[in-house]
Amino acid sequence: NAGVMQNPRHLVRRRGQEARLRCSPMKGHSHVYWYRQLPEEGLKFMVYLQKENIIDESGMPKERFSAEFPKEGPSILRIQQVVRGDSAAYFCASSLEVPGQGRLSTDTQYFGPGTRLTVL
Amino acid sequence: SQQGEEDPQALSIQEGENATMNCSYKTSINNLQWYRQNSGRGLVHLILIRSNEREKHSGRLRVTLDTSKKSSSLLITASRAADTASYFCATDARVNYQLIWGAGTKLIIKP
Repeated sequence: NAGVMQNPRHLVRRRGQEARLRCSPMKGHSHVYWYRQLPEEGLKFMVYLQKENIIDESGMPKERFSAEFPKEGPSILRIQQVVRGDSAAYFCASSLEVPGQGRLSTDTQYFGPGTRLTVL
Repeated sequence: SQQGEEDPQALSIQEGENATMNCSYKTSINNLQWYRQNSGRGLVHLILIRSNEREKHSGRLRVTLDTSKKSSSLLITASRAADTASYFCATDARVNYQLIWGAGTKLIIKP
């Protein structure tokens, strides 16, 4: 059973270019989370998606960043017109929906290896 | 703002010794999780403890949770060089489903 997969593992972009980060959740998982980790810091939540729906994007910068999780295919985190401050590790996690609960519980999130974005 | 704060920020011990890391948080939680991150790699889930649990074991790992003090500890017994990594606690706050992360504890095991 393959774990969460992310690609590319390393991405180098020049300022002003676009960065596309992909995440394939674990088989059977329909919930995807994106986190950003700056050097020497913990992870910061960016966005939570279910298939074809953005549930919570409160951690996402208002401009230049977008995310999607289409019916078919991986989740995509897209950063337009990248700047040096976007350089970070971006982690994707997936989880199962926990049945029978009034609200969704995060339970265990399984993380991918991350994509390290470097903006020159 | 960060929910979890790990303590200490860095810890260096001899192989074979026990390592204890602490995590404090601010709001009520559903569960608290500990993760490990090896340098340059992704996160590995270690253990999840629910708010109605006080202690949990997994191999050489022992996690405690004190909801009255809003704190948790991770104990690694009989440490090995391979335990060298950063350890993060993450809390699932009751009001939403996000995991809120601390800055982590860097653990170095000296051979």
